[in-house]
Amino acid sequence: GAGVSQSPSNKVTEKGKDVELRCDPISGHTALYWYRQSLGQGLEFLIYFQGNSAPDKSGLPSDRFSAERTGGSVSTLTIQRTQQEDSAVYLCASSLLAGLDEQFFGPGTRLTVL
Amino acid sequence: AQSVSQHNHHVILSEAASLELGCNYSYGGTVNLFWYVQYPGQHLQLLLKYFSGDPLVKGIKGFEAEFIKSKFSFNLRKPSVQWSDTAEYFCALRREGDYKLSFGAGTTVTVRA
Repeated sequence: GAGVSQSPSNKVTEKGKDVELRCDPISGHTALYWYRQSLGQGLEFLIYFQGNSAPDKSGLPSDRFSAERTGGSVSTLTIQRTQQEDSAVYLCASSLLAGLDEQFFGPGTRLTVL
Repeated sequence: AQSVSQHNHHVILSEAASLELGCNYSYGGTVNLFWYVQYPGQHLQLLLKYFSGDPLVKGIKGFEAEFIKSKFSFNLRKPSVQWSDTAEYFCALRREGDYKLSFGAGTTVTVRA
């Protein structure tokens, strides 16, 4: 079946602009996760959803970052007033149930902030 | 808090050589452990996982890993590598019952033909 998909695959933006990154999880997966992969920081957890709720937002680096999930499916990660340090690959993953199953990762969105 | 340490940043070896990548973690409770691989231009894929039971787990593409609780280790091994094993390998940990993964820094493996 179809895996996790993310769009866009690449995004170049100017400092100060807002960006939206989209994730479509595997159908039927109730848990959805966002991670960030950047040079020097490795892979770091940002936020996860169980259904449409985000029980833990503590991984979000600043209040410029927000995420939502609708219909228990698609999720959007929004970064407001982007900064150069936001440049990274943003990865989305999903699993059947949070904490019990393996996570399946999408191809990521490479964000470059000029 | 827990952290995951991968000993080698970059490993270079020839085809048919044996591979062992180290992974240690610093959490005293029960953990689930994973090895993910990222081939050039591709997304993260699960190689193998340990939840409980037999500490020697076998994954895809001939990889295996051994969980040694007393050493807080989960090293990845492959007896004979191929050029197609060139990739970046990540060890990851999840505290039992938790939801997020904590990743090591990754090890880049280059296999020379």
